[in-house]
Amino acid sequence: NAGVTQTPKFQVLKTGQSMTLQCAQDMNHEYMSWYRQDPGMGLRLIHYSVGAGITDQGEVPNGYNVSRSTTEDFPLRLLSAAPSQTSVYFCASSKEQATNEKLFFGSGTQLSVL
Amino acid sequence: DQQVKQNSPSLSVQEGRISILNCDYTNSMFDYFLWYKKYPAEGPTFLISISSIKDKNEDGRFTVFLNKSAKHLSLHIVPSQPGDSAVYFCAARSGGKLIFGQGTELSVKP
Repeated sequence: NAGVTQTPKFQVLKTGQSMTLQCAQDMNHEYMSWYRQDPGMGLRLIHYSVGAGITDQGEVPNGYNVSRSTTEDFPLRLLSAAPSQTSVYFCASSKEQATNEKLFFGSGTQLSVL
Repeated sequence: DQQVKQNSPSLSVQEGRISILNCDYTNSMFDYFLWYKKYPAEGPTFLISISSIKDKNEDGRFTVFLNKSAKHLSLHIVPSQPGDSAVYFCAARSGGKLIFGQGTELSVKP
């Protein structure tokens, strides 16, 4: 009954450091995505994937990389962290890209970049 | 440019009364709309949705209305309960992207 699992839950980085936020789902979902939540901005789409080997950019992709080598995993990489990337990050998945599919979200990763 | 807008950051309602949360969008290509509910320190959870070919969808105490000509949707909660206190996000889908609004924090007072 794990659903969408995100690790770590909290992370503090220094400017310029790199890290990977992990996301895994056990529901055999084809569609996965990453969002960031900032005060007054709501949830903004960073990158998404409609299946293994396929990724695409969302609304705010700059500074982030993704890959989708398996159906289960969709890691988000920050190559050189900046204070503007301080945010709460959510991974979400759905069975497929179809219009009427609802997203299931993980519990989030709170990231601070000093 | 915000394609999905929730112009009210917060809303306070008395228990038992109706809560109305509003959402406006600009992209006429959106063909499906959803509402999510979020408690602190948790991820958003799906609440209710509506296709662009409908103007109303009801699920228990929750009803979503869609006015395509005005590019406006609303979520009605009747009657409101203290457990409904949370942040509510509307979202709109176009192709592979689900775009969210800024959220409205609902507080239901006993």
